[in-house]
Amino acid sequence: EVQLVESGGGLVKPGGSLRLSCAASGFTFSSYSMNWVRQAPGKGLEWVSSIGTDITYRYYGDSVKGRCAISRDNAKNSVYLQLDSLRAEDTAVYYCARLEGGSGFYYFGYWGQGTLVTVSS
Amino acid sequence: QLVLTQSPSASASLGASVKLTCTLSSGHSSYAIAWHQQQPEKGPRYLMKLNSDGSHSKGDGIPDRFSGSSSGAERYLIISSLQSEDEADYYCQTWGTGVGVFGGGTKLTVL
Repeated sequence: EVQLVESGGGLVKPGGSLRLSCAASGFTFSSYSMNWVRQAPGKGLEWVSSIGTDITYRYYGDSVKGRCAISRDNAKNSVYLQLDSLRAEDTAVYYCARLEGGSGFYYFGYWGQGTLVTVSS
Repeated sequence: QLVLTQSPSASASLGASVKLTCTLSSGHSSYAIAWHQQQPEKGPRYLMKLNSDGSHSKGDGIPDRFSGSSSGAERYLIISSLQSEDEADYYCQTWGTGVGVFGGGTKLTVL
C-alpha cells in the first residue's frame, strides 16, 4: 500500500524558516517524481514544487520561487521542502504527492494527509 | 496561459446523477486532465485521468459510479447514484511544462 506521511509543520514567525518532510513507503521511491501541493485555509489546491527521480530537474511555483528548495533522499525514501522567508500567505496545509504519467501529461496519483504550516507573529 | 476553469458549486439529490465541468483555456483543448476528490477535513484523493477523446482510467478502488467524458475543451466528471459521502470538493488538474495546474475546485452538495 502506497503511503505518504508528511511532518515538520508548525507555527513560525514571518521571515522564519521551516523544513517539511515526507516519508514514503509501499513503492519504489527512487522511480517516481515527487511533489508538494499546498492549500490555504478555505482555498483551493496550489502546486508548489516538483523534483525528478534523479534530482536533475526541480521546478517551483511562482509564489515560492527563490524562497523554497525541494530535495530528496532516495536512501531514506523521503522528500523535503525547505521554506524560507516565510510570509503570512504561506499559511497552508502542505501535501506531499506522487507524480504519475508520462508523454507530457502528469498527475498526482497518491497524496499524503498533509501538514499544517502557520505563519504568524 | 494554461488555465482550468470550474464552477464554484454544484448540487444534486441523493441517488441522482451530477456532471461537473472543467474547461481548458484556449489553445489547450487537447490536454488530458485528472480529477481529484477532497472530502471535508481530508487530503485529496485521485479519482481518474481523462483524455481529450473521453477515454479515462480510474484510481485504485474508485467506484463504477464515477466516470468521465470530454467534448472539445471541456472535461466532465459524472457521478451517478449520488451518495452522501460524495459531498466533497472536486478539483481538475493538468500539467504544463514542469508546472502543475489546478482548477479552482467545485464544491458538490448532496441534497
